[in-house]
Amino acid sequence: DAGVTQSPTHLIKTRGQQVTLRCSPISGHKSVSWYQQVLGQGPQFIFQYYEKEERGRGNFPDRFSARQFPNYSSELNVNALLLGDSALYLCASSNGLAGGGGEQFFGPGTRLTVL
Amino acid sequence: QKEVEQDPGPLSVPEGAIVSLNCTYSNSAFQYFMWYRQYSRKGPELLMYTYSSGNKEDGRFTAQVDKSSKYISLFIRDSQPSDSATYLCAMRGGIKAAGNKLTFGGGTRVLVKP
Repeated sequence: DAGVTQSPTHLIKTRGQQVTLRCSPISGHKSVSWYQQVLGQGPQFIFQYYEKEERGRGNFPDRFSARQFPNYSSELNVNALLLGDSALYLCASSNGLAGGGGEQFFGPGTRLTVL
Repeated sequence: QKEVEQDPGPLSVPEGAIVSLNCTYSNSAFQYFMWYRQYSRKGPELLMYTYSSGNKEDGRFTAQVDKSSKYISLFIRDSQPSDSATYLCAMRGGIKAAGNKLTFGGGTRVLVKP
């Protein structure tokens, strides 16, 4: 079975632009979470979606938004990019009951560079 | 103060030695504890997943949780050069608490020398 997949692998954008990152969870998993990992730090929670509904939001500005589709894949959107948004963006899927619990498995990430 | 503290290392050990990693935390609501391994520029890989206090062993890996001290550990026996990576501890509350949000430590970089 395929694991969590993310696209694209790398992205280079300039300040002020907008970016969309995509994630496909493990087959059968209904929950997707997004994390931001700045170089040298641990991942920081951005969002969790379960059954197309937002179940959790981290301490990120409104420039960050996400959605989940009927097939449980997800998109993360970031508007008005800042230099500080440069990071590895990670998607994790889980099959916990009612959107909570369960082990979280991470994808390879999308590396975003903002110039 | 961060909710989860982890020594950044680097921790250098000779091949075959035991690697000892640990994290401390401040939030008593944490109930589930995980260890992830992350190679450079890759996504984290789940190594151990434990609930509440106690020990769990899986092959060369042993995870320990002491909730009374708010302290968790990971031991890697018979370390190999392929174990060289950054090790992240992560934790979260019960199912009803903030859904699936994981709180991570900053990671410890481990180098196993042949």
